[in-house]
Amino acid sequence: SQQGEEDPQALSIQEGENATMNCSYKTSINNLQWYRQNSGRGLVHLILIRSNEREKHSGRLRVTLDTSKKSSSLLITASRAADTASYFCATDAPGGSYIPTFGRGTSLIVHP
Amino acid sequence: EADIYQTPRYLVIGTGKKITLECSQTMGHDKMYWYQQDPGMELHLIHYSYGVNSTEKGDLSSESTVSRIRTEHFPLTLESARPSHTSQYLCASSAAGTSEAFFGQGTRLTVV
Repeated sequence: SQQGEEDPQALSIQEGENATMNCSYKTSINNLQWYRQNSGRGLVHLILIRSNEREKHSGRLRVTLDTSKKSSSLLITASRAADTASYFCATDAPGGSYIPTFGRGTSLIVHP
Repeated sequence: EADIYQTPRYLVIGTGKKITLECSQTMGHDKMYWYQQDPGMELHLIHYSYGVNSTEKGDLSSESTVSRIRTEHFPLTLESARPSHTSQYLCASSAAGTSEAFFGQGTRLTVV
């Protein structure tokens, strides 16, 4: 079964607005990552947050992690039409396997 | 830019044919993966490898097989393609000690 579940499944916003996507997972994790996928393409790694970190920033991206709630959020600030894509969270379990398991993804549409 | 390549990008093939999807990476990564992605976006891990001569089945049962004779090469084979195999197949790799994955562009397989 899949580890991560993203919410919402789809999100439609106007350019300039912020977009927030959430990811919940079921078991303990080692790391949590967020990826982006443009239509029909491969996934691109955006950011990794370790289980002992609570927040991480990269440009317009802000990721939070709450291990007590087994959840993470990805915030994209000042969105652009080019941010239109699907966003996935991926987790890997403690123990050193480092095998990423992906959720269902959130489809983001940013209208110009 | 990730140095991981999948060929072909698109393949339409008749039922019963044998096919091999190619995946190569030039990053020297030990770990390689195959994911199957449904039209509704969810990624399922079908095979992975920790290195040469290592192959493991993933979370989703698949009739495909893989081999890892060389570090850089991780082909996936279907002995007898069926319409139920129609999907997008994504290959990825990561270095030892991390789950940050680099993806190829994918192969979209259609079995008619």
